[in-house]
Amino acid sequence: NAGVTQTPKFRVLKTGQSMTLLCAQDMNHEYMYWYRQDPGMGLRLIHYSVGEGTTAKGEVPDGYNVSRLKKQNFLLGLESAAPSQTSVYFCASSYSFSYEQYFGPGTRLTVT
Amino acid sequence: GQSLEQPSEVTAVEGAIVQINCTYQTSGFYGLSWYQQHDGGAPTFLSYNALDGLEETGRFSSFLSRSDSYGYLLLQELQMKDSASYFCALSYNTDKLIFGTGTRLQVFP
Repeated sequence: NAGVTQTPKFRVLKTGQSMTLLCAQDMNHEYMYWYRQDPGMGLRLIHYSVGEGTTAKGEVPDGYNVSRLKKQNFLLGLESAAPSQTSVYFCASSYSFSYEQYFGPGTRLTVT
Repeated sequence: GQSLEQPSEVTAVEGAIVQINCTYQTSGFYGLSWYQQHDGGAPTFLSYNALDGLEETGRFSSFLSRSDSYGYLLLQELQMKDSASYFCALSYNTDKLIFGTGTRLQVFP
């Protein structure tokens, strides 16, 4: 099992550009999450999904959109990147109840 | 709002015992989780307390006291590889976790 994978691992964007981060899990988990991690801020939830075709807002959803068309994939989109979105993005998944989550390796995004 | 407070940094020597505290200001949550994250790595799950009391997993133990609004992670027989950041996280419902800001543990020889 690969667990949770994320692509790309690194990306540099210019302000105003768009991109999509892909998260895939092969554990048949129902729940999937997108977090951002900034120095001294811990992990902040952006959006999450409790099943295929569902999405919900987390703590910091502005500027991001998500889609969960297939159970194993969760996409995070930035329509118009801003320097404030420079961060490390982590995807995670869990069976159902959220307390034990499995994280991907992260995507380091820089917006100039 | 929901907030979890942790010390920003803790230092200890190999072989010692260290306690990382997590205080919160909320009620009605399901439980408290702990995660470990090495520099440049992904967070990994360590433990979960649904009920008050102590949960032991090898060298690591976690404690929760709802009446005192706090929990802690206890690491025994510290090893150099335990140098990492540790995060507490509250389950407010079954859908999601809210993470604390993390404690950086440095273990010295």
